[in-house]
Amino acid sequence: DQQVKQNSPSLSVQEGRISILNCDYTNSMFDYFLWYKKYPAEGPTFLISISSIKDKNEDGRFTVFLNKSAKHLSLHIVPSQPGDSAVYFCAARKGNAGNMLTFGGGTRLMVKP
Amino acid sequence: GAVVSQHPSRVICKSGTSVKIECRSLDFQATTMFWYRQFPKQSLMLMATSNEGSKATYEQGVEKDKFLINHASLTLSTLTVTSAHPEDSSFYICSARDILAGEADTQYFGPGTRLTVL
Repeated sequence: DQQVKQNSPSLSVQEGRISILNCDYTNSMFDYFLWYKKYPAEGPTFLISISSIKDKNEDGRFTVFLNKSAKHLSLHIVPSQPGDSAVYFCAARKGNAGNMLTFGGGTRLMVKP
Repeated sequence: GAVVSQHPSRVICKSGTSVKIECRSLDFQATTMFWYRQFPKQSLMLMATSNEGSKATYEQGVEKDKFLINHASLTLSTLTVTSAHPEDSSFYICSARDILAGEADTQYFGPGTRLTVL
């Protein structure tokens, strides 16, 4: 049972436009959500996170929105840059901080110059 | 930011041999480290949670006798793939949790180890 889903395996966006990556989850016990960026043959790099008590968190070009009632979160990148091309994973955590992360399947973002 | 290293970055071995992968937190202490496996074009799958000074907790379906985990110190965890077979070929990634990070509590990932078993 996949508790965290990223239904779009890939996304192509023009440079300068907005990239919107979506993530859905099923477990209502998740209380903390994170986005990671991953290049091939490298480990994931943390981008941005959000606690379930918030509905928005912004850091530079990256904004994460959380809709708890819909069990949906999204990552907005604006403006998109070619260097943003990578695979993006959303991850969720439940309970205390020592618990593991559950990852979505990833979305490959391609930003075209 | 916090740095996690893995060694080796790439290893090729013969079937039946054992391979040890090291995961180190370089500038912070990690009571908990995690080991993930990533198959091509797939997500990261948690294999086990490594706790300093105690036994690792393995996820369902992961053979603990095949994937030996040792977390000997607050900065080092090792994963040993015993009697490796071609189906064990994969990209193994560790992550470490900074015990002082507080609420943000992000996991910091290593660069990964590409294992190829011939």
